[in-house]
Amino acid sequence: QKEVEQDPGPLSVPEGAIVSLNCTYSNSAFQYFMWYRQYSRKGPELLMYTYSSGNKEDGRFTAQVDKSSKYISLFIRDSQPSDSATYLCAMSEGGNNRLAFGKGNQVVVIP
Amino acid sequence: NAGVTQTPKFRILKIGQSMTLQCTQDMNHNYMYWYRQDPGMGLKLIYYSVGAGITDKGEVPNGYNVSRSTTEDFPLRLELAAPSQTSVYFCASSYREDDYGYTFGSGTRLTVV
Repeated sequence: QKEVEQDPGPLSVPEGAIVSLNCTYSNSAFQYFMWYRQYSRKGPELLMYTYSSGNKEDGRFTAQVDKSSKYISLFIRDSQPSDSATYLCAMSEGGNNRLAFGKGNQVVVIP
Repeated sequence: NAGVTQTPKFRILKIGQSMTLQCTQDMNHNYMYWYRQDPGMGLKLIYYSVGAGITDKGEVPNGYNVSRSTTEDFPLRLELAAPSQTSVYFCASSYREDDYGYTFGSGTRLTVV
């Protein structure tokens, strides 16, 4: 079983729709959870950062962490064509500062 | 600030050739990392450094070497290039151990033929 599972299948949604992305993981020691956004031919950039379980909201973006289920989610409300990118989940135990990344999920928002 | 700068942006190597991928950051970050990204495979850590003079292996270090003589620079050396090293390479940095918001460079696309 891979440490972080993320379904890489492309996701196409109409503009204004809610985008829902998720990752599952097997390592119960993970405490820090991140979502990175990567535009085509660019490096990833940090989008959301959450420590332990709970929700975090930043504008149109909401990150959720459920440690009991080993499941994290990212929601994008009122999606825009500029949200078209690949979204990677990442997580760490802390201390040793090693990030484990998911495969990434390509999102296309159609105008 | 320029952030993390990687050169070159693209390179084609022949099997058996060697090259150095350059990475420099101007944010005075202590931690630096090299990742490779293969299609549909996510990011894999090759090597990382916690400060000048200190480096350590990541998940996929075979075929690569690194050095960290200054805080700013973290070059990645490929010796005897193989087709399996065809990938996009990203350098990243962070300020401290518990800083998980890495700053990534824009990547180097390497093809080995």
